[in-house]
Amino acid sequence: NAGVTQTPKFQVLKTGQSMTLQCAQDMNHEYMSWYRQDPGMGLRLIHYSVGAGITDQGEVPNGYNVSRSTTEDFPLRLLSAAPSQTSVYFCASSWGLEASNEQFFGPGTRLTVL
Amino acid sequence: GENVEQHPSTLSVQEGDSAVIKCTYSDSASNYFPWYKQELGKRPQLIIDIRSNVGEKKDQRIAVTLNKTAKHFSLHITETQPEDSAVYFCAVLAGGTSYGKLTFGQGTILTVHP
Repeated sequence: NAGVTQTPKFQVLKTGQSMTLQCAQDMNHEYMSWYRQDPGMGLRLIHYSVGAGITDQGEVPNGYNVSRSTTEDFPLRLLSAAPSQTSVYFCASSWGLEASNEQFFGPGTRLTVL
Repeated sequence: GENVEQHPSTLSVQEGDSAVIKCTYSDSASNYFPWYKQELGKRPQLIIDIRSNVGEKKDQRIAVTLNKTAKHFSLHITETQPEDSAVYFCAVLAGGTSYGKLTFGQGTILTVHP
């Protein structure tokens, strides 16, 4: 199994550009989520999904859209990139929302917005 | 929403010493408390977790304790080794109406000196 994969690994955007960060998992996990990691602030939840067709907002959803058309894929869209969105983005997945369901993280995407 | 505070932000110990990291949370309905280790440039990985109906859990040199009344939980690492050097994050899975959201602490940079 590849686990959780993310593309691209690195990306540089100009302010106002849009792009999609890809996330896929091959473990048949129901729960998927997106986090951003900034120095000194830990990981903050952007959006999450409890299954195909269902998404919800996390702690910092503004400026980002998600969709979950399949169990495997959970893309994150930046509508109009801003320098404040410079960060490392991690996608994660788990079997479900029950306690003790380990979240598996992807390798991350390092995004710079100029 | 859930508020998670993690202390200390940095911790420096000598090899063989013990290290303790503490987290407090605000939502009494929270029911799952994982700890993640993140090495430089890598993704976070689960090292230990505890559920709300358990007070302590051990796995070799690491242990987690939970005090639900006081709403705090701690990570204990004994006989530290240089390879324990990393950033450690606590997290809290919300219960109640916020079910499904995992909130992370700000992280602790642990340095183990040989």
